[in-house]
Amino acid sequence: NAGVTQTPKFQVLKTGQSMTLQCAQDMNHEYMSWYRQDPGMGLRLIHYSVGAGITDQGEVPNGYNVSRSTTEDFPLRLLSAAPSQTSVYFCASKDRGMNTEAFFGQGTRLTVV
Amino acid sequence: AQKITQTQPGMFVQEKEAVTLDCTYDTSDQSYGLFWYKQPSSGEMIFLIYQGSYDEQNATEGRYSLNFQKARKSANLVISASQLGDSAMYFCAMREGTSGTYKYIFGTGTRLKVLA
Repeated sequence: NAGVTQTPKFQVLKTGQSMTLQCAQDMNHEYMSWYRQDPGMGLRLIHYSVGAGITDQGEVPNGYNVSRSTTEDFPLRLLSAAPSQTSVYFCASKDRGMNTEAFFGQGTRLTVV
Repeated sequence: AQKITQTQPGMFVQEKEAVTLDCTYDTSDQSYGLFWYKQPSSGEMIFLIYQGSYDEQNATEGRYSLNFQKARKSANLVISASQLGDSAMYFCAMREGTSGTYKYIFGTGTRLKVLA
């Protein structure tokens, strides 16, 4: 059981480049989300989705796009990378139960130079 | 606005002793959930324990227990009999919103170091 899989694990981008961080889960979870983790700031919600075809913004959505065409996949797109987007990115999924925990991927460490 | 506060950036504890990691929260919701996650140096996020706002008893999971004081809006994590493998960053999180939203708010974390 793979759980939540993020690719790539590490990435270096030049300012202005675009890329997509991939996230896939095999638990048939309805809810998926993207967080960024920066030193001293905990995890901050970027975008989330409560089901295929439904996405919404979190606390820090600027500079990021998402889509949810299938239950399994929830890619995060950086259209024009900026050094401020240097961070560790986590994808998480959970089922529809209110009180169940979220399962996290291993994280993607992104550096924008 | 909903908020999670962890006031201890770093903590030390001797092996085999108990340690309490503090977490306070602020919410106007009546229904909410509180979670603790562990992040070892390898980086993954590991779920430890959950407490619902309507749960009357404190949650326990093995060596982890959650000291839930609703009136004080605190949800402290207690680790008993600390082990070297407990050295990690610990995050308190709150699930806000009712069915259909499930936003999680995280605190800034507490780095725990267990000393041999």
